Amino acid sequence: QQQVKQSPQSLIVQKGGISIINCAYENTAFDYFPWYQQFPGKGPALLIAIRPDVSEKKEGRFTISFNKSAKQFSLHIMDSQPGDSATYFCAASDRSSNTGKLIFGQGTTLQVKP
Amino acid sequence: NAGVMQNPRHLVRRRGQEARLRCSPMKGHSHVYWYRQLPEEGLKFMVYLQKENIIDESGMPKERFSAEFPKEGPSILRIQQVVRGDSAAYFCASSPGTGREKLFFGSGTQLSVL
Repeated sequence: QQQVKQSPQSLIVQKGGISIINCAYENTAFDYFPWYQQFPGKGPALLIAIRPDVSEKKEGRFTISFNKSAKQFSLHIMDSQPGDSATYFCAASDRSSNTGKLIFGQGTTLQVKP
Repeated sequence: NAGVMQNPRHLVRRRGQEARLRCSPMKGHSHVYWYRQLPEEGLKFMVYLQKENIIDESGMPKERFSAEFPKEGPSILRIQQVVRGDSAAYFCASSPGTGREKLFFGSGTQLSVL
């Protein structure tokens, strides 16, 4: 119930291509879905986030698509660049927990080839 | 404004020793979270603290692990009698409130148990 399942585990994309990472959840009480980007040796940094009252959110080249009925959400990186090479984590949070803790997916290592 | 500061960056301990990990939150942040990241896995919530209070320790192992966030000074994650399975990256995050939307992570402490 508290799990967030992320796929694929790793992804290789050519420069200029679209990177797509998917996540699925079971807990319908989740109401906040962020994506974090992590570079080697660094902590995760918030990239973009969405709430379930919208189906899509876009910030620059990064877009979250959200399907509430399917309990799935995905990150799309348009025009992928070598500098986007990093590990990406989806996460979810349950407002009722009142603590703000995040449940993270397993992570996707993205490599963008020049 | 300095970010979340964690030290040490790398910590090597022999089995049975104690490990102390420190986290100084961002200025103005009074809420601290600790997460653990095992190889090839996502981040797992351990504990959530406010100044002088443990709010949620549902992710902490029952034995050997403890955390504190005193009125003055950094938050401390303490692991007694470390075992090889404790080897992981430990990340601290801080927020100004119960701010799952304003969560900032440090660069982590890599603990290696020999």
